[in-house]
Amino acid sequence: SAVISQKPSRDICQRGTSLTIQCQVDSQVTMMFWYRQQPGQSLTLIATANQGSEATYESGFVIDKFPISRPNLTFSTLTVSNMSPEDSSIYLCSVGGTGSYEQYFGPGTRLTVT
Amino acid sequence: DAKTTQPTSMDCAEGRAANLPCNHSTISGNEYVYWYRQIHSQGPQYIIHGLKNNETNEMASLIITEDRKSSTLILPHATLRDTAVYYCIVMKVFKTIFGAGTRLFVKA
Repeated sequence: SAVISQKPSRDICQRGTSLTIQCQVDSQVTMMFWYRQQPGQSLTLIATANQGSEATYESGFVIDKFPISRPNLTFSTLTVSNMSPEDSSIYLCSVGGTGSYEQYFGPGTRLTVT
Repeated sequence: DAKTTQPTSMDCAEGRAANLPCNHSTISGNEYVYWYRQIHSQGPQYIIHGLKNNETNEMASLIITEDRKSSTLILPHATLRDTAVYYCIVMKVFKTIFGAGTRLFVKA
């Protein structure tokens, strides 16, 4: 399984600002995913980020609000733009495994917007 | 992808087997059953997956009924550290959609 790190682990931000979350993997992976987990809720898929192509966003998520970069096979960033208190969540990145469809998740970034 | 139904919560005594059920009556022939768990304040952890045969690994066993409409995840000797939310997911493409899961409480 891959080892995944995220930076920052947590942050408190003011409304109207933007935060970029980094996801680093210890091996090359084709597929990376970004999820959001609002307080007390399950995970919601934001987008799929494959290296060399534009990210594919799920319904309800748009590139202007959550721009994603995927410059190489070990790294991705998610930016939460023009934040509001409703964006307070845990943001997690994950990668596809080498087997079937299993995924491995990072520890998450806990974001609080005031 | 097929929808899954899981109990909201379950209790299990430490050292006993935890049997977590999942209904997926609309599963199609090429959809896999995946299980993940999320321990408090951590990212989800992959546990096991199967297509139609029963599977076992170092963490758990997965029993899939012959008609594939339901499955059971078995933790053979539950410990306090197994307290977590367990997610059963049915999928055939690389897009993992999480439901509400089952909150398992392992009690001493």
